[in-house]
Amino acid sequence: KNQVEQSPQSLIILEGKNCTLQCNYTVSPFSNLRWYKQDTGRGPVSLTIMTFSENTKSNGRYTATLDADTKQSSLHITASQLSDSASYICVVSDVNQAGTALIFGKGTTLSVSS
Amino acid sequence: DSGVTQTPKHLITATGQRVTLRCSPRSGDLSVYWYQQSLDQGLQFLIQYYNGEERAKGNILERFSAQQFPDLHSELNLSSLELGDSALYFCASSVDGTGGPTDTQYFGPGTRLTVL
Repeated sequence: KNQVEQSPQSLIILEGKNCTLQCNYTVSPFSNLRWYKQDTGRGPVSLTIMTFSENTKSNGRYTATLDADTKQSSLHITASQLSDSASYICVVSDVNQAGTALIFGKGTTLSVSS
Repeated sequence: DSGVTQTPKHLITATGQRVTLRCSPRSGDLSVYWYQQSLDQGLQFLIQYYNGEERAKGNILERFSAQQFPDLHSELNLSSLELGDSALYFCASSVDGTGGPTDTQYFGPGTRLTVL
């Protein structure tokens, strides 16, 4: 069964610190991997999209990495801000289902405190 | 603001009832997706439409149905509601619905359904 596992489940860090969130997946083959940010009670917002041939992609203070051999991805947040407090969701596209079936991880809840 | 609109924002109803959730995609987007997000679950893909036709089906119950109209707005119908159907329901839209690396999904603000 295709799965996407994220760790840690939750994380608390001080404002200004860096952190790294992990995503392991078993989807194979896959088309692309996405990271979304979801504020409480709101819809997810896309941060990065990477294909299997890309190793890293940045969006401001967010940097995603992908190791397609080990089926692992990480999202690194630099110099965290209070507004980074949110759930971060890893999503893998299952190419066997015409690329339209996105498999979502349960997310990592990040709390940034002052 | 993603450009995707969903109505209503909140809905409270009783078990056994039927409700309709509405979604208007971003201008120019042909594909619409529906997702369910319960408290202790991640986002669950329900169904996808592209230009009025069903394209993919996920974990959608038989009590649920959806359609996309010629003006591209979509409705999700939930019937014989149970307590466990209480959740946030999100609609998302994308340009071509291929799920490829350039096909970004834009999510609406969601409809919070409470079944009492």
